[in-house]
Amino acid sequence: TQLLEQSPQFLSIQEGENLTVYCNSSSVFSSLQWYRQEPGEGPVLLVTVVTGGEVKKLKRLTFQFGDARKDSSLHITAAQPGDTGLYLCAGAVQAGTALIFGKGTTLSVSS
Amino acid sequence: NAGVMQNPRHLVRRRGQEARLRCSPMKGHSHVYWYRQLPEEGLKFMVYLQKENIIDESGMPKERFSAEFPKEGPSILRIQQVVRGDSAAYFCASSPSIPRNTEAFFGQGTRLTVV
Repeated sequence: TQLLEQSPQFLSIQEGENLTVYCNSSSVFSSLQWYRQEPGEGPVLLVTVVTGGEVKKLKRLTFQFGDARKDSSLHITAAQPGDTGLYLCAGAVQAGTALIFGKGTTLSVSS
Repeated sequence: NAGVMQNPRHLVRRRGQEARLRCSPMKGHSHVYWYRQLPEEGLKFMVYLQKENIIDESGMPKERFSAEFPKEGPSILRIQQVVRGDSAAYFCASSPSIPRNTEAFFGQGTRLTVV
């Protein structure tokens, strides 16, 4: 059973386009993280959200945590080729427990 | 990310041999997590350790796999009698001693190939 469902699984867009990646679950999470992973490397933490309804911005990236703390979204404005990579969401059911990961969204941005 | 050190980066083993993967957490971190990643799949949780204790090993196969995090030295993930299905990228992550929220910082991984 996949606790965290990410969609879409693959996304291929042109430079300058906007996109949204979704992370959904039937479980409530105490916190949710978004990571970006490049081929051959480990995941790099982008953001942590902990409060229902929370919105965080990181340059052109906007992260939102659902009011019920069961889902999250990542929105990228004006995508650039450097945004290409695997985006992973991960949640902790409670603080101090291991992170559960979604399968990820592979983003390809072409110029 | 650069603070969590894993070695070796690449490991080739013949079927039946043992594989030992090492992970040194970030300075000040006493929680270590091991994950396995297969192509086009997410990270699968294996085991969660604190210094000298296994907190959660629910994701680790009961046979051939073991993990430790001694008082001194790195955490070790040990796979005995490796089979081709063990080929994967293994990632270690660490987090602070009292995580308000579970933020894990990952190493660059060890790519195990069983031939």
